[in-house]
Amino acid sequence: EDQVTQSPEALRLQEGESSSLNCSYTVSGLRGLFWYRQDPGKGPEFLFTLYSAGEEKEKERLKATLTKKESFLHITAPKPEDSATYLCAVHDRGGNEKLTFGTGTRLTIIP
Amino acid sequence: DVKVTQSSRYLVKRTGEKVFLECVQDMDHENMFWYRQDPGLGLRLIYFSYDVKMKEKGDIPEGYSVSREKKERFSLILESASTNQTSMYLCASSFQGFAEAFFGQGTRLTVV
Repeated sequence: EDQVTQSPEALRLQEGESSSLNCSYTVSGLRGLFWYRQDPGKGPEFLFTLYSAGEEKEKERLKATLTKKESFLHITAPKPEDSATYLCAVHDRGGNEKLTFGTGTRLTIIP
Repeated sequence: DVKVTQSSRYLVKRTGEKVFLECVQDMDHENMFWYRQDPGLGLRLIYFSYDVKMKEKGDIPEGYSVSREKKERFSLILESASTNQTSMYLCASSFQGFAEAFFGQGTRLTVV
């Protein structure tokens, strides 16, 4: 059974203080790993897809990286508007089209 | 831009009522999904569909059914609502073979 574990559960940073969020996963064969951002009371918003170890994707202050066991979402010089819950999900090569999600990291950026 | 629209943002229903949640996508996606999201449990898949009139059970299908009569529309049905079905319900869609899914804004359902 696919498993996705995100850490920490919650993270508070000062504006401009860089950090990383972790997503560790267990799958029979990774077809893709996905990062989403979710604002309170809204649906998740797609950020990145990573397909193979060593791959990196960037978008503004966010950079996602992937190894064979985990993915990191690095946030550089964050701003208050980056406050949200960040979700990680995996797509198993041996399964159907569904995604298995972690429980997320709630990120708060303090001005 | 992909648009996934859920019919209601907030719903309050009574125990035992039959509840319909509707979802429409405008990108001609083959796959559609219904998830529920609860604090500490993350998103859990209820049902998904990879084609019209096709459906597959997800991880927590008990107490739910679905209908997909048209490609763009996927309905979630709570046959007899119970208080433990109070949750945020999220619809999503994706292209066949590409698992990045796009979500609707969610329906916050409260069963009293």
